[in-house]
Amino acid sequence: ELQLVESGGGLVKPGGSLRLSCAASGFTFSFYSMNWVRQAPGKGLEWVASIGSGGSHISYTDSVKGRFTISRDNAKNSLYLQMNSLRAEDTAVYYCAKCPSGDCYINYFGPWGQGTLVTVSS
Amino acid sequence: EIVLTQSPATLSLSPGERATLSCRASQIISSSNLAWYQQRPGQAPRLLIYAASSRATGIPDRFSGSGSGTDFTLTISRLEPEDFAVYYCQQYGSSPGTFGQGTKVDIK
Repeated sequence: ELQLVESGGGLVKPGGSLRLSCAASGFTFSFYSMNWVRQAPGKGLEWVASIGSGGSHISYTDSVKGRFTISRDNAKNSLYLQMNSLRAEDTAVYYCAKCPSGDCYINYFGPWGQGTLVTVSS
Repeated sequence: EIVLTQSPATLSLSPGERATLSCRASQIISSSNLAWYQQRPGQAPRLLIYAASSRATGIPDRFSGSGSGTDFTLTISRLEPEDFAVYYCQQYGSSPGTFGQGTKVDIK
């Protein structure tokens, strides 16, 4: 059974850092683009970052460029999001999601993990 | 970037009724690269439709997608109790991929 399990969320002060992880199982992780998508409380969905199957072809939404870094370790079947210089507006549930059709240039998403909550507040 | 506008914001229907949700793009979406997602309260989103009209694995056939260019529709032929949720469209034809603001289908 395919599973994506996020971890690493929590409460952090503005300007702080956090590293999210996503453990993947049930599929050949190294064949698929992977993504982070977030959802602020009571709001809609926002794509955050994508990484190609081999770790190249990385892209970010403008609001996190220079602050967030997406990476992956195919040997460990894991996806990461290093988040620095966090702001209140980064408060959201962060979901890990794969691109269903493999190594996607612009991703769509399925399935998704259950999400991990990041709260940025003093 | 392409802006997606979903309508209506809320759709109040009864179980067994037909639901028609609209997603309109500010520019033509190339290759009909449009997806629909369902999000039930407290749950992660779930992919329903991709490439405008292809059902994802395990999605019941009461869900169907249609459209091309700038106008797309998600139809739920007969609403089941578990279908009352929020639905999002997303385009992945142009970078960055963008989502609509969502349509909530609630029980009348």
